[in-house]
Amino acid sequence: DAGVIQSPRHEVTEMGQEVTLRCKPISGHDYLFWYRQTMMRGLELLIYFNNNVPIDDSGMPEDRFSAKMPNASFSTLKIQPSEPRDSAVYFCASRSGANVLTFGAGSRLTVL
Amino acid sequence: AQSVTQPDIHITVSEGASLELRCNYSYGATPYLFWYVQSPGQGLQLLLKYFSGDTLVQGIKGFEAEFKRSQSSFNLRKPSVHWSDAAEYFCAVGSSGTYKYIFGTGTRLKVLA
Repeated sequence: DAGVIQSPRHEVTEMGQEVTLRCKPISGHDYLFWYRQTMMRGLELLIYFNNNVPIDDSGMPEDRFSAKMPNASFSTLKIQPSEPRDSAVYFCASRSGANVLTFGAGSRLTVL
Repeated sequence: AQSVTQPDIHITVSEGASLELRCNYSYGATPYLFWYVQSPGQGLQLLLKYFSGDTLVQGIKGFEAEFKRSQSSFNLRKPSVHWSDAAEYFCAVGSSGTYKYIFGTGTRLKVLA
């Protein structure tokens, strides 16, 4: 298994631009999570899905953030418009029936 | 309130020395407890987990952790640290009743040659 796959690994963009981060979870995992990691706030849960349905998006910071999961093998996190304070590492994780989260390598976003 | 506390932000040990990283939690339900390790530029990798049963759990890379309910702790240990163990370590708590795992702020381990 290739694990959780995220793209891009690094993204540098200018303030106001749209950013789309992508995630392919592990096949068979029915939960998918998006986290954000910053020095100041640590690891924050943004949103999670169960069987492609968003269950809890209370961690999404603003309406500028949106996430979708059109099918069991793909999810996106979109920021529109992006701001410098959105600079962070964004992690996708999927969860097996054994209650263990498996993380992707992360997408490092820099907004200038 | 549910929380995880890792009191040590940074720890430095010499290679070959023993290691203990502290984790305390506050959680209403019976907790699931985890330790993850993050190397620079990488995602979080599971070291070990505790769900129930034997309170001393073994993980990968020679790590172990002990669940102490009376102290609300789940400390991570390794008898002899290797230079490759330098990384950031995260404790996390969850339960069967929720899928919102709470992560501590992490402990950054430095290993001296």
